[in-house]
Amino acid sequence: ETGVTQSPTHLIKTRGQQVTLRCSSQSGHNTVSWYQQALGQGPQFIFQYYREEENGRGNFPPRFSGLQFPNYSSELNVNALELDDSALYLCASSLERERWLEQFFGPGTRLTVL
Amino acid sequence: SQQGEEDPQALSIQEGENATMNCSYKTSINNLQWYRQNSGRGLVHLILIRSNEREKHSGRLRVTLDTSKKSSSLLITASRAADTASYFCATDAGGGGADGLTFGKGTHLIIQP
Repeated sequence: ETGVTQSPTHLIKTRGQQVTLRCSSQSGHNTVSWYQQALGQGPQFIFQYYREEENGRGNFPPRFSGLQFPNYSSELNVNALELDDSALYLCASSLERERWLEQFFGPGTRLTVL
Repeated sequence: SQQGEEDPQALSIQEGENATMNCSYKTSINNLQWYRQNSGRGLVHLILIRSNEREKHSGRLRVTLDTSKKSSSLLITASRAADTASYFCATDAGGGGADGLTFGKGTHLIIQP
């Protein structure tokens, strides 16, 4: 158990819909990263937030957006869902940006797009 | 895009045997890490090796890094049924996290009792 929680555990959506996934960081952690893991693949970096600001972004379109709140919990929003968005979405928290390599992963949210 | 490729894609061995999996990557790195993932759930950090290190040990784990060949290996000695999982290497190029970690596709390890 890393202390990082994600909700919901599973989610089924229809193509074109919008989805919000939530992540609660480990206590005291102010940096959060989000990853997408397609079936049979390794995770791919979506973006990282530090103190409510986006600190970096991977090769994902703008319909993937995020928020980090003052309590350092965060959300991943995906608009106009596509079938290829079906994946396990993982968040990882770090104590601070300078120690971002020490990432503690949550259990993930399994998103299925029909 | 995936930075690295793990080899083999799948490995099945008997309990008690040693398991070796390899990772190759494409661009210069700052650090390389190995993670374990059970049944499509969250990732668990195993070990980190810096680009100026060649070998690192942690319990039953031994990691090597050859930056000239852009490759790393993970050895698990005296395997146990609980080691059954997928194993991923992940690299970073520094930059304070702005580019995140870049993962390979993973090796699925099965330990037969």
